[in-house]
Amino acid sequence: SQTIHQWPATLVQPVGSPLSLECTVEGTSNPNLYWYRQAAGRGLQLLFYSVGIGQISSEVPQNLSASRPQDRQFILSSKKLLLSDSGFYLCAWSVSGNQPQHFGDGTRLSIL
Amino acid sequence: AQSVTQPDIHITVSEGASLELRCNYSYGATPYLFWYVQSPGQGLQLLLKYFSGDTLVQGIKGFEAEFKRSQSSFNLRKPSVHWSDAAEYFCAVGVPMFSGGYNKLIFGAGTRLAVHP
Repeated sequence: SQTIHQWPATLVQPVGSPLSLECTVEGTSNPNLYWYRQAAGRGLQLLFYSVGIGQISSEVPQNLSASRPQDRQFILSSKKLLLSDSGFYLCAWSVSGNQPQHFGDGTRLSIL
Repeated sequence: AQSVTQPDIHITVSEGASLELRCNYSYGATPYLFWYVQSPGQGLQLLLKYFSGDTLVQGIKGFEAEFKRSQSSFNLRKPSVHWSDAAEYFCAVGVPMFSGGYNKLIFGAGTRLAVHP
């Protein structure tokens, strides 16, 4: 069966520091991959999606970037974190076509 | 523009009571609709989905939802709530981003469910 892993589960970083959040999927090939951010008391906002290695699309302009160095690995990065980057970050995957997205357990990011 | 509205931010029910969580969407074409549940500090778990066909869909954990095109609604129901159902519930509409099917989910702001013993 397919599984999705995100780490770390929680992270506290100072303003201006770099960021790297990792997401990996097991048990499937060539998945669509997604990064979402969830602000407190709000729904999820799609940040990036990827349909293949090296293919990244950004949904909203922001201080973050994403990369997909391997088929089942999706990385969310920043060179310099802002206070507004705080939130709960969720990675998700789906097969292509009309199939649901499946979410990881998320990373709680706090910026001090 | 596509949007999803969940009118109830918080709902409290007694254990054993019935539950209905409301969801209204705005989308120009036939929607793909989903309900997800999120326990505190956790990711989202898919409860059920509607793509086409029967407008009453069954999901996991005893949940069901009914798609009503005329009302642009996809309300989630459960006949008898258990204490373990306390969580946050998100409705979402799937919007095609490119050919081959949906890929982007537009989420509502969520409804937080509390269950009294």
